[in-house]
Amino acid sequence: AQSVTQLGSHVSVSEGALVLLRCNYSSSVPPYLFWYVQYPNQGLQLLLKYTSAATLVKGINGFEAEFKKSETSFHLTKPSAHMSDAAEYFCAVSENSGYSTLTFGKGTMLLVSP
Amino acid sequence: DAMVIQNPRYQVTQFGKPVTLSCSQTLNHNVMYWYQQKSSQAPKLLFHYYDKDFNNEADTPDNFQSRRPNTSFCFLDIRSPGLGDAAMYLCATSRGSGGETQYFGPGTRLLVL
Repeated sequence: AQSVTQLGSHVSVSEGALVLLRCNYSSSVPPYLFWYVQYPNQGLQLLLKYTSAATLVKGINGFEAEFKKSETSFHLTKPSAHMSDAAEYFCAVSENSGYSTLTFGKGTMLLVSP
Repeated sequence: DAMVIQNPRYQVTQFGKPVTLSCSQTLNHNVMYWYQQKSSQAPKLLFHYYDKDFNNEADTPDNFQSRRPNTSFCFLDIRSPGLGDAAMYLCATSRGSGGETQYFGPGTRLLVL
């Protein structure tokens, strides 16, 4: 069975500050890992995904995430927050064994203050 | 642009009155998913189709059903909506291979009066 834990339901940063959103996973097989962003009253948009090609994954809007197998983590970072980054962020995992559905974390709301 | 479309964006229904939500895709993906998302929660998978094969999650209430008449369209039927069914309903699609990205529609927000 696979699961995802996102530490912190809310994270507050100032504009221009580092963004760090934490995600830890458990999976019985090597995983695929995803970060999605959701703006109010919209669907989910893929930020980036890890599929074992490279441990440091770069995504859209300046976000990146690093896969650390020893820590079972896939934390999302951005060097400098922008007001437009305020949204809910979901980490998700699927098994690396053929077709598999996604298991989502509970989400982290990112708040950006001027 | 290829995309996932959901209609309507907002749906108001009455307690116990059947309602149907629709999803269409121009991506020609094999898999279509329906999720329920309540306020400040993660999306919860209700069921999905891999081509014509229907897969129901174990804890999806019998009140929820789905139809996929062809590759492009998928419907979510709520037979007797209760107040607890008020939520955002998200449709997503994927090719169906391992690690494939799911592409989400904008969602339909359901209000039950």
